[in-house]
This record gives sequence, structure tokens and C-alpha cells, in this order.
Amino acid sequence: DQQVKQNSPSLSVQEGRISILNCDYTNSMFDYFLWYKKYPAEGPTFLISISSIKDKNEDGRFTVFLNKSAKHLSLHIVPSQPGDSAVYFCAASTGNNNDMRFGAGTRLTVKP
Amino acid sequence: NAGVTQTPKFRVLKTGQSMTLLCAQDMNHEYMYWYRQDPGMGLRLIHYSVGEGTTAKGEVPDGYNVSRLKKQNFLLGLESAAPSQTSVYFCASSPPGLKNTEAFFGQGTRLTVV
Repeated sequence: DQQVKQNSPSLSVQEGRISILNCDYTNSMFDYFLWYKKYPAEGPTFLISISSIKDKNEDGRFTVFLNKSAKHLSLHIVPSQPGDSAVYFCAASTGNNNDMRFGAGTRLTVKP
Repeated sequence: NAGVTQTPKFRVLKTGQSMTLLCAQDMNHEYMYWYRQDPGMGLRLIHYSVGEGTTAKGEVPDGYNVSRLKKQNFLLGLESAAPSQTSVYFCASSPPGLKNTEAFFGQGTRLTVV
């Protein structure tokens, strides 16, 4: 029972364009959402997060949007750079440290 | 500044063998976690610990045991390895707090059970 779903296994965009990664969740108790980035042979690293009391959080080129009614969040990367090529995991939690659920990941490729 | 270090990075086991994965963190974090990553499944929590001497089951605990004898170390044990435990294992740590804060992950251990 996957409570967090990333339905696009892969995404390819041109350098300089916008990358949009999507994530859907089913548990209405989730109130904290995170995005992690993972390069090959490395562990995931934290990228950006958002609390359910907000609908947008921005950090440089990265913006996360949250639509609670649709149980949907998205990560926007503008402009995309080749160094952004990685697997991106969406994660959600009720606020406890033991119940974070991860999506299966989306592999982003940014072409020069 | 090592962060979270996992040992070993790779391992091949025969069915029925046992092994221990070691995780060490130097950030003085209270919370530590063990995840496994499988294709199409994302990361799933195996066990976690909210402090020295405490452990608890996560989402997929069967076939694994853990110990947290020292704050900086979190060990994951497989008593009798099965092919279904072939996976990439990640350890993570995070500071305490009611809300999830970002977790810091190790580089992973690729385990193959044949």
C-alpha cells in the first residue's frame, strides 16, 4: 500500500528549461513533505520541504507547491542544469519521526 | 566532517548466512533509522531508534534486528539471510523534534543474497 506515489519514473528536460516533478499522496494525516535528491552510489540528500500550513516554499531555483485538497505536491526546478540530473524522492510524514513514507523516485535527466 | 558512515559498502551473502551492517554518525543526532530501497518501492523504514538503548519497528521489520548501544552507532543484523533481503540499505540520522526534520543519509550498502 504505497501512500506516496511518484507516477513518472523518469523525466528528461533541456538545460535552462523548467523541470516539474510530481508526487501524490493518499494519507490525509500527512502534514509535512520533503524532497530528497540522490546521485548514483550516494545516499539521498535533503533538498526542500514544506509544511501543510503553506502552499509554496521556495529556495533558490527550487520551489515546492502543495495542493492539500488534491493531495498533490510538485517540485519545480528553474532553470534546470545538467548537475540537477539525479533521482528525486518525495517523502511525507504526519510529523512523527517513524512514519515518513517515500515515493519510488523520479529520475531526472537534464540535457545540455 | 564524515556525517553518516555505513560499513560495508557491498556484500554478497549466501542464503542462511548472518551479517551485521554498521552505521556511525558524528552529528550527535538522537534519532537513527535503517531503510531499504528496492526498485519501484522507494525507501521503506525497517527499524528506527529515538535514543541510545531504544529501538522500534518500522514498516518492514521482519527478518532484521537492530541495536543502539551507543548514541553514535546503529547496527542492523540479518540472522538468516534470504534472497528477498537483496536490496540497498541506507542508514540515516536526524536531530530530535516533534516535526520531521531533514534526515542525513549514509552512502548505502548494496547487499546481494544468493
